[in-house]
Amino acid sequence: DAGVIQSPRHEVTEMGQEVTLRCKPISGHDYLFWYRQTMMRGLELLIYFNNNVPIDDSGMPEDRFSAKMPNASFSTLKIQPSEPRDSAVYFCASSLGSATGELFFGEGSRLTVL
Amino acid sequence: AQSVTQPDIHITVSEGASLELRCNYSYGATPYLFWYVQSPGQGLQLLLKYFSGDTLVQGIKGFEAEFKRSQSSFNLRKPSVHWSDAAEYFCAVGDFGNEKLTFGTGTRLTIIP
Repeated sequence: DAGVIQSPRHEVTEMGQEVTLRCKPISGHDYLFWYRQTMMRGLELLIYFNNNVPIDDSGMPEDRFSAKMPNASFSTLKIQPSEPRDSAVYFCASSLGSATGELFFGEGSRLTVL
Repeated sequence: AQSVTQPDIHITVSEGASLELRCNYSYGATPYLFWYVQSPGQGLQLLLKYFSGDTLVQGIKGFEAEFKRSQSSFNLRKPSVHWSDAAEYFCAVGDFGNEKLTFGTGTRLTIIP
């Protein structure tokens, strides 16, 4: 299996622009997670899905952030409008569930908002 | 709410020396505990996990960790580090029936020759 695939790997944009990050989870995994990593706050869970349904979005910072999972093989995280404080590495991860605890992470999307 | 504390932000160890990375958790019941490793520019990879049973768990790459309930700790150890072990290490706590993991702030490991 190719693992979790994220795109783009790097994104540089200007404040106010819309940003869309994409994720393809491992086939057969029922859970998908979006995490954000910054020096100041470490790894934060933004939202996670089970069978394409959002289960917990309490970590989504504000209404500028939205996430969708239209099918089992694709998810997006959108920021509109983007702000400099959104600069971070955004990770997507997937898992089989059943409380295995093993998340498989993508390589991340590094976002820089100028 | 569950939480994890990694008191060491950065540790430097000589190649071949032993290693111990500290992790303390806060959780009401028996937690699920994990150690993940992140190499530069990469995502996180699971090293090992503790759910129940034997309190000493073995993981990949020669790592082990010991769950000590009395100390609320789950420290990661390796008897002899290799230069390739240089990375950031994250402790995490989970909850049965809930797929969410809460990660610590990480410990960056530097290996010197």
